[in-house]
Amino acid sequence: GNSVTQMEGPVTLSEEAFLTINCTYTATGYPSLFWYVQYPGEGLQLLLKATKADDKGSNKGFEATYRKETTSFHLEKGSVQVSDSAVYFCALSGVLTGGGNKLTFGTGTQLKVEL
Amino acid sequence: SAVISQKPSRDICQRGTSLTIQCQVDSQVTMMFWYRQQPGQSLTLIATANQGSEATYESGFVIDKFPISRPNLTFSTLTVSNMSPEDSSIYLCSVRKGAYNEQFFGPGTRLTVL
Repeated sequence: GNSVTQMEGPVTLSEEAFLTINCTYTATGYPSLFWYVQYPGEGLQLLLKATKADDKGSNKGFEATYRKETTSFHLEKGSVQVSDSAVYFCALSGVLTGGGNKLTFGTGTQLKVEL
Repeated sequence: SAVISQKPSRDICQRGTSLTIQCQVDSQVTMMFWYRQQPGQSLTLIATANQGSEATYESGFVIDKFPISRPNLTFSTLTVSNMSPEDSSIYLCSVRKGAYNEQFFGPGTRLTVL
């Protein structure tokens, strides 16, 4: 079945540091890949997506590239801010039978950015 | 995207009671989803609700415990029945829109069962 593996948190960085949150996946077919962000006390927000190999999703300074050869979708940001402190979830959407219309989430990675 | 609201935003309930959570979307959608997020955990899909048909439940979730209604294309309810402290979680509804199965989430309902 489909699965998503994320690096464990919490990740603690100083403001303006470079961020990488690793995400790898296992899936049949050609899934779409997503990053969601959950700020404290809020629901999930779609941060970015990529729908085919070598696509790069980007939003709010965050980027992630769909790497089929390494089955990865690592999230990066060049310079984090305190306001980026949140939990980040990697997810994939199954396209073929078995995956259906469901999102499969990773366990989430908490990011803490300090001044 | 979609704008989704949930009611209540939070509640504290007694063991053995039931709570109904409402989810309202600003546009018509075919598929709505209900998730549970236990403290510090990822999201677990409870069920998928399509208008005009019975909800489809994931393994480990049953209709008697989590009855769902979907009376129209913009609204759904999830009831958490006969609650126990283990049901303390955030319950989120989401909708599927777009060509690539993007899902958009409501703000969640934070439930504490005493």
